[in-house]
Formats: sequence, C-alpha cells, structure tokens
Amino acid sequence: GQNIDQPTEMTATEGAIVQINCTYQTSGFNGLFWYQQHAGEAPTFLSYNVLDGLEEKGRFSSFLSRSKGYSYLLLKELQMKDSASYLCAVRDRAGFQKLVFGTGTRLLVSP
Amino acid sequence: NAGVTQTPKFRILKIGQSMTLQCAQDMNHNYMYWYRQDPGMGLKLIYYSVGAGITDKGEVPNGYNVSRSTTEDFPLRLELAAPSQTSVYFCASSSNRDVSYEQYFGPGTRLTVT
Repeated sequence: GQNIDQPTEMTATEGAIVQINCTYQTSGFNGLFWYQQHAGEAPTFLSYNVLDGLEEKGRFSSFLSRSKGYSYLLLKELQMKDSASYLCAVRDRAGFQKLVFGTGTRLLVSP
Repeated sequence: NAGVTQTPKFRILKIGQSMTLQCAQDMNHNYMYWYRQDPGMGLKLIYYSVGAGITDKGEVPNGYNVSRSTTEDFPLRLELAAPSQTSVYFCASSSNRDVSYEQYFGPGTRLTVT
C-alpha cells in the first residue's frame, strides 16, 4: 500500500520563498510527481523526480531523497498566481502507470 | 490539439439514475485514467486503461464501469447513482513515449447526486 503526507495549508508573502514537504511510504517506488491545481480547475504537471537530488525548472524546484521517503517543492519569488493546491503523487513500481496522490497542500500567497 | 476533453461540465442526478461521463483525448495516448476528487481531498483512481480493450480497477471502482473500445475515448458509467458519488470527476491520459509518463488532465465534471 501507499501513504503520502503533506501539510494541509501554508501561507506566504508575495516575493518570498516557500517549501512544501511530502513524505511517503510505499512498497515500491518508480517516481514522484508534483502537480499544481488552482481552485475549480484541473491539475497541471509541475515536476518529476525519479533519482535523488534537485530538479530545477524556473522559479520551481523539486527535491527527492528515496532513502528518506521525502520530497519537497520549492517555490521562489512567489506571485499571487501561485495561490493554489500542490499535489504530491507517487508511482508504485508494481502499478507502473498508476499514481497515488496525497491530499494536497493549499498555498495562500498574500500581498 | 484539444488535449483531454470531458462532457458534461456539470450534472445533477437523482438517486438511482444512471449516466455516462464522456472523456476523449486527441494526443494518441495509450494510457487513460478516471479519478474522483472530493472536497479538500486528493485524487482517487477509479479505473484506468493501458490501451484499447484493456481496463483495470483502481482504488475506488465500486459503483462505476468503464470501457475502452478506441484509443481516443474512455467513458465512465455510473449505475444507480448514490449521494456518495457526489464529486468532481477528472479524466487523464499519458503516453509511454514520455519518459515520465506525465498525466494530462481534462477540465473535470462536477456531479451532484441528490
């Protein structure tokens, strides 16, 4: 089975940096994804990590430690439009195509 | 490309009614998925398909059925709707040509059962 934990809600200020953590316990592991979901909209892909280390993509970076079952999403130079839910999802090796999603972290960016 | 499309956007059903949620993708993706998302919760996988003619259950398949007769279409059937099926339903697709198998989501169908 899979268990994925993320904080329910976070707040931050425009221009700041925020780190959203995700811990997971899985029987197998074949990749971790971060998706962004604005209220009332569909999730959109942000990042994918399958090896340990940091993946940087513009203002967003994602880190993975497989030995610790831990990932974080780092958002820099926060903008008001970054207010959204951020979903962590893990792909189990046994079900190669299937993702298991965490409940998501709602980020509120204030001026 | 339209990507992943879903119809209808909204629907209200009475308890015991049936309906089909439509999903289509024009990216020639072999994998397709149906998820439901309850308020404040993550996405739960209902059914998925690895290609035309092949489907399998996800985490929460009870009360639903699917079929995949073509690569493009993956309809989700609700039989005997129940209030517990009130949710937002997302269809998604992915391809094994992408290294990450990134999933592309449709805009969702908001279903209320009363």
